Amino acid sequence: DSGVTQTPKHLITATGQRVTLRCSPRSGDLSVYWYQQSLDQGLQFLIQYYNGEERAKGNILERFSAQQFPDLHSELNLSSLELGDSALYFCASSVERAGRRTDTQYFGPGTRLTVL
Amino acid sequence: AQSVAQPEDQVNVAEGNPLTVKCTYSVSGNPYLFWYVQYPNRGLQFLLKYITGDNLVKGSYGFEAEFNKSQTSFHLKKPSALVSDSALYFCAVRDKNRDDKIIFGKGTRLHILP
Repeated sequence: DSGVTQTPKHLITATGQRVTLRCSPRSGDLSVYWYQQSLDQGLQFLIQYYNGEERAKGNILERFSAQQFPDLHSELNLSSLELGDSALYFCASSVERAGRRTDTQYFGPGTRLTVL
Repeated sequence: AQSVAQPEDQVNVAEGNPLTVKCTYSVSGNPYLFWYVQYPNRGLQFLLKYITGDNLVKGSYGFEAEFNKSQTSFHLKKPSALVSDSALYFCAVRDKNRDDKIIFGKGTRLHILP
């Protein structure tokens, strides 16, 4: 158990809908990362938050957004869903103090999103 | 731009034999290198990392990896494979001179044959 929790575990929805995925980082970790894992694209970095602020952006679509709250949990919002958004979405956290890029990321169990 | 390559989609090894999972990288500066493992229906688990110092890094579950700067490689190794090592393995790199993005390889599926 990594200490990172994600809810829900599974999510089935229809095209055009909007969903919210939630992540609670390990106690004390300030950084949260979101990844998308699909069969054809592999593991894609979406976005990182550090202590409530966006820190790095990857291949995140404009239909997707995220935020990190004062208690450090994070939510990933996916809107206008398409069939191709079906994937596993992982959250990871790390201590990641300023300037420390060597910190290990710890991954949650993931949310499996199915868009029908 | 930084990148990481895992040239093998799948590696098959007989139980008890040594295993190697290959990884090569490209960064503009000095790399930070990581190996993660993913078991079915689970998130990624950290195995080991290279930051600086000794080129041979030891990690969890008896795995080790060797950093080779001249060949820009960071191959994962284990002297004697177990059936329970069967999983998906990801190599990742972070360039210390760039922003905080970590780049993952596409993954190598390791099958240990009993």
